[in-house]
Amino acid sequence: GAVVSQHPSWVICKSGTSVKIECRSLDFQATTMFWYRQFPKQSLMLMATSNEGSKATYEQGVEKDKFLINHASLTLSTLTVTSAHPEDSSFYICSARGQVVGNSPLHFGNGTRLTVT
Amino acid sequence: AQSVTQPDIHITVSEGASLELRCNYSYGATPYLFWYVQSPGQGLQLLLKYFSGDTLVQGIKGFEAEFKRSQSSFNLRKPSVHWSDAAEYFCAVGGAGNTGKLIFGQGTTLQVKP
Repeated sequence: GAVVSQHPSWVICKSGTSVKIECRSLDFQATTMFWYRQFPKQSLMLMATSNEGSKATYEQGVEKDKFLINHASLTLSTLTVTSAHPEDSSFYICSARGQVVGNSPLHFGNGTRLTVT
Repeated sequence: AQSVTQPDIHITVSEGASLELRCNYSYGATPYLFWYVQSPGQGLQLLLKYFSGDTLVQGIKGFEAEFKRSQSSFNLRKPSVHWSDAAEYFCAVGGAGNTGKLIFGQGTTLQVKP
């Protein structure tokens, strides 16, 4: 089945530094990728939608200058948390879907646990 | 407003017992409905989905769900729970077309007693 790889699975960084998270579709071309954020014991909140070759679309309340998204190829999207602060500590999950044929479902990565100290 | 409600935050069942996790949605267009399972520290795995057709859908790991339009519900069921089913379960709704944006419920934590 379709596989989405997310890297790193966890990262600890100091406040003020930037962290890049990668999301790769391993066996299909992902025209669209989605980035979610999940706080402990809570549901997933969509942060942004990235389409290959175009700018990401951010959800209301998400700072686009803080959460930089790049979707440079059909198999890779990156999320960069810039100038990270402790409140950015969270579980970030990406998902991807291929070119639509009858509404393909999303495939999720295993998530990245970010801890900002 | 579009939303998904999972009324039960936490459910405990005995191994071998039957399970039903509730999900109600509010969506302005034809809903596409999903159930995902998440183990601690992991991503989400799709259990099953409903797009159209037969309102009773079968998924992986012995799960099934029934779409009831009149009740705006998409409850997840399993006849006999296994200890390995202990996890977090999320119901989600999306729309037709290319968007793929999902709205998730709050999640239900399933605990299985031996």
